[in-house]
Amino acid sequence: GNSVTQMEGPVTLSEEAFLTINCTYTATGYPSLFWYVQYPGEGLQLLLKATKADDKGSNKGFEATYRKETTSFHLEKGSVQVSDSAVYFCALRNSGYALNFGKGTSLLVTP
Amino acid sequence: DGGITQSPKYLFRKEGQNVTLSCEQNLNHDAMYWYRQDPGQGLRLIYYSQIVNDFQKGDIAEGYSVSREKKESFPLTVTSAQKNPTAFYLCATGAQPQHFGDGTRLSIL
Repeated sequence: GNSVTQMEGPVTLSEEAFLTINCTYTATGYPSLFWYVQYPGEGLQLLLKATKADDKGSNKGFEATYRKETTSFHLEKGSVQVSDSAVYFCALRNSGYALNFGKGTSLLVTP
Repeated sequence: DGGITQSPKYLFRKEGQNVTLSCEQNLNHDAMYWYRQDPGQGLRLIYYSQIVNDFQKGDIAEGYSVSREKKESFPLTVTSAQKNPTAFYLCATGAQPQHFGDGTRLSIL
């Protein structure tokens, strides 16, 4: 079946530090991959996506590259801000409509 | 203003009571979903609907029921058979990507 594994949190970084949140997946075929962000007390917002191998999704300084050979979709940002503090979810969509989510990684950025 | 509206934002359930969570969308999406979020467990799919008058069970459908009488609406009922209903419930619409509402937090009195 489909599954997504994210690195355990919480992750605590100082402002302007480099961020990597690891995400690997298991799926048959060629899933689409997503990163969602959840701010406290809110729903999920799509951060970026990639639909085929070697695609790079990017948004608001965040990037992730769809690596089929390593079944990974790691999230990166060169310089985090306090406002990036949130929970980040990696997800995949294979056949069908529903998403399979990782357990989420909490990020706290301190001034 | 387009979007997904979930109501209420906070909901309390008494023992043995059924409660219904509302999800309304004006995005004209065919597909709608209900997820449950528990701390440290990510999101798990309860039910989904790809078209009006049709819906399918997700991974954790026991103790829940849904209806899809209109394209815009996909209410979720948490029945008394759901023994651990305290969670954050998220409604989503669309296919790729999915769009999410702001959620309903359900607690037990």
